[in-house]
Amino acid sequence: DAMVIQNPRYQVTQFGKPVTLSCSQTLNHNVMYWYQQKSSQAPKLLFHYYDKDFNNEADTPDNFQSRRPNTSFCFLDIRSPGLGDAAMYLCATSTGGAGTDTQYFGPGTRLTVL
Amino acid sequence: EDQVTQSPEALRLQEGESSSLNCSYTVSGLRGLFWYRQDPGKGPEFLFTLYSAGEEKEKERLKATLTKKESFLHITAPKPEDSATYLCAGGGNRDDKIIFGKGTRLHILP
Repeated sequence: DAMVIQNPRYQVTQFGKPVTLSCSQTLNHNVMYWYQQKSSQAPKLLFHYYDKDFNNEADTPDNFQSRRPNTSFCFLDIRSPGLGDAAMYLCATSTGGAGTDTQYFGPGTRLTVL
Repeated sequence: EDQVTQSPEALRLQEGESSSLNCSYTVSGLRGLFWYRQDPGKGPEFLFTLYSAGEEKEKERLKATLTKKESFLHITAPKPEDSATYLCAGGGNRDDKIIFGKGTRLHILP
C-alpha cells in the first residue's frame, strides 16, 4: 500500500545533541510537510517543500532545518535540541499543496530530550 | 487571521449514545475542510474532505457536514473503538497550508 513512513518511531537524544528524523513516501506526492505536535495541542507546521521549493514558517526556530534530496525523502534536522523540543514530529504529504488537497500523515516520531 | 475552533475539548459518551462534534472556522476563502482521527501516539488518519456548504460525507458511524461557518462530525451509535481525538482543519486560498483546530478528545464508555 502507498504510504508515508517515518523513522525512527521513537528517538531519545541529549540536550544539545543534533538529531535527524526521516520521512519517506510512496505516494509520489509533490508536497511534503513537517509538523510539531505537543500533548493536547494542534499540529504546528514547521515548514514544507513543494517539489524542491522550501517554505519556512515565520515562527519556526532556526534550530530546525530540513532537506529534501528527492521526491520520496525528506529529513528534519534539529541542530541543538532543547527540552522544549520534546514532542511528536509528524510528516505529511499532499498532491498539490493547495487548500483543497488532502494531507496524508505518517505515524510520527516521538522525540525525547534528556 | 484564519482560525479553526473545535468544541467541546473533550466528550465522554456511553456506547450507543449518538452526538456531534463541532468545528467553527474563519478561514479566508475556504477551499477544503478536513477531518482526521488521531489515536494516542500515532499520526492523524484521514477521514473526510468537504469542499462546499451543504456537502455531506459518511463512513461507517461517522457523518461530516459543512455550512458556511462550521462543520459537524456526527457519530451515530458509537462503539468504544471510536474513542480517539478528532481533528478538524481548514484550507484557504492564501497558501499551501491548512489550519488545524486543537481537536476533540472523544471517549466512548462500554
